[in-house]
Amino acid sequence: SQQGEEDPQALSIQEGENATMNCSYKTSINNLQWYRQNSGRGLVHLILIRSNEREKHSGRLRVTLDTSKKSSSLLITASRAADTASYFCALIFTGANSKLTFGKGITLSVRP
Amino acid sequence: EAQVTQNPRYLITVTGKKLTVTCSQNMNHEYMSWYRQDPGLGLRQIYYSMNVEVTDKGDVPEGYKVSRKEKRNFPLILESPSPNQTSLYFCASADFGLQQETQYFGPGTRLLVL
Repeated sequence: SQQGEEDPQALSIQEGENATMNCSYKTSINNLQWYRQNSGRGLVHLILIRSNEREKHSGRLRVTLDTSKKSSSLLITASRAADTASYFCALIFTGANSKLTFGKGITLSVRP
Repeated sequence: EAQVTQNPRYLITVTGKKLTVTCSQNMNHEYMSWYRQDPGLGLRQIYYSMNVEVTDKGDVPEGYKVSRKEKRNFPLILESPSPNQTSLYFCASADFGLQQETQYFGPGTRLLVL
């Protein structure tokens, strides 16, 4: 079924380092979103990038989208221990009636 | 404060005992949705609603019912819960009318069916 595939599944870095997470998909999309989930809690929207956009920034977050490669990257710069969470790529596929399809998530651990 | 609320937050029940999980949003969003989250499977959509009295199946609707009689509420009903419905459930809402498409999630309901 249609779904974004995140890579890596888990990532452990030192505080202050950058974290890069990737999402790939197989069919055309309207937009791609990234969400964060702290352990056992609700998801929080981080950033949305539309299919006609290539890069967006929000604070320490930078998202890129390459529709020719059907892939996106989320970069968190100067990571903090508070960034420890699961990160999900979510896509609205073309013709999917606004349905948001989530990937399985990436577990990020930022060591103090 | 703009939010999505769910009740209860935690629930332990037995097989076959009907239950309802309520969801309410105060943002006047047309779109509401229910997801379940299971280890290794990510979030899967159960049902969604594009507006009042309009509901549709998601990826895993079996064993669930929903209703949308008012814009702000979207309850999830398990008529006869089974152990395979033990999961973490999330309600979400969005305002697609403004092309926002950002979903706002509730805090989650952890359900254990014995």
